[in-house]
Amino acid sequence: GQQLNQSPQSMFIQEGEDVSMNCTSSSIFNTWLWYKQDPGEGPVLLIALYKAGELTSNGRLTAQFGITRKDSFLNISASIPSDVGIYFCAGHTSGTYKYIFGTGTRLKVLA
Amino acid sequence: DAGITQSPRHKVTETGTPVTLRCHQTENHRYMYWYRQDPGHGLRLIHYSYGVKDTDKGEVSDGYSVSRSKTEDFLLTLESATSSQTSVYFCAISDLQDNEQFFGPGTRLTVL
Repeated sequence: GQQLNQSPQSMFIQEGEDVSMNCTSSSIFNTWLWYKQDPGEGPVLLIALYKAGELTSNGRLTAQFGITRKDSFLNISASIPSDVGIYFCAGHTSGTYKYIFGTGTRLKVLA
Repeated sequence: DAGITQSPRHKVTETGTPVTLRCHQTENHRYMYWYRQDPGHGLRLIHYSYGVKDTDKGEVSDGYSVSRSKTEDFLLTLESATSSQTSVYFCAISDLQDNEQFFGPGTRLTVL
């Protein structure tokens, strides 16, 4: 099935560093969603974006809906050990049932 | 957290046996989904429902059936489990008003 291209695939960073990841698509979406998944758990919705160019924050997390509507970005500032996990994006087109998911970015934080 | 529960959370079964997984929501969302998550494949849609008794196939529906007799419950059945159905299964809900999709905690199924 279709998956969105997400990069990087994995990251090792030092505690306190900022993190950036992005998601790209060949299709236009009306909604971008960002999730975090911890081992053995279900994905948890972090941020939802609805308009091209929109910038939305949730604590230390900031996400942006790309101007072309074909990409989205997630930044984590001042990372902490509990940020460890897999982050993935999802795109949705209004009026449809279908969500397309990214391949995921595995984040590891070194204390 | 969205009110979604899945049961059982873990199950080990033998090839050829029937298995039913249950998803229960308290959010009154119209849409419910069953996904499986496997290494290298990400989340793949098995079936979804757009209302009571209204269901449709996803991209990996072979070997699976679903039923939705009430808004809050969505059942996934493996009629005759195979080893290739060993996976983690997630239920999700959305209302397509704000397009946000919420996931349950997952069911880890092992078919021996």
